[in-house]
Amino acid sequence: KAGVTQTPRYLIKTRGQQVTLSCSPISGHRSVSWYQQTPGQGLQFLFEYFSETQRNKGNFPGRFSGRQFSNSRSEMNVSTLELGDSALYLCASSLGLGHQPDSPLHFGNGTRLTVT
Amino acid sequence: GEDVEQSLFLSVREGDSSVINCTYTDSSSTYLYWYKQEPGAGLQLLTYIFSNMDMKQDQRLTVLLNKKDKHLSLRIADTQTGDSAIYFCAERAGTGGSYIPTFGRGTSLIVHP
Repeated sequence: KAGVTQTPRYLIKTRGQQVTLSCSPISGHRSVSWYQQTPGQGLQFLFEYFSETQRNKGNFPGRFSGRQFSNSRSEMNVSTLELGDSALYLCASSLGLGHQPDSPLHFGNGTRLTVT
Repeated sequence: GEDVEQSLFLSVREGDSSVINCTYTDSSSTYLYWYKQEPGAGLQLLTYIFSNMDMKQDQRLTVLLNKKDKHLSLRIADTQTGDSAIYFCAERAGTGGSYIPTFGRGTSLIVHP
């Protein structure tokens, strides 16, 4: 079974631009979560989608948005990029909602975003 | 609010035991997890413990939970160079179907031959 796939692997953007990151979950997984990882803040939860609906949201500004498609694939969008948005963005999929032990998170290898 | 804290670095000699510690603040935590992140990769779930347990063993891994002190530890027996990675403690807290998973900042484990 293929793992969680994130594209692109690396991205360089300039301030003010917008970016879209893509995540393909493991086949059969219906939940997709997004995380931002930085050396200073660690791993911060962005949001979780399940059955095309955002079910949980972290404490990020409205510039960060996402969506999930009927095939469970998800995209994350960041508009009006700032230097502080430079980070590793991780996507995780799971069978169900809610980070339950019987439905653990499976992470992709991330998209490294650099904003200059 | 929720907060999970870990020490940033741990250095051990190959063959010794490693103990990685974590403290959390949210008493409503129901599950606590340990994840491992190798360079250039995402996080991989190692093990978890339910909040009504105080110990769980899984091969070389032992998880200890002190719920009173909100302290979680991960012990790796016979540590190998392949165990060098960043280890994250995480909690699942919240009620009513709404939760925010909270991760510690990670402990970098360095294993010397």
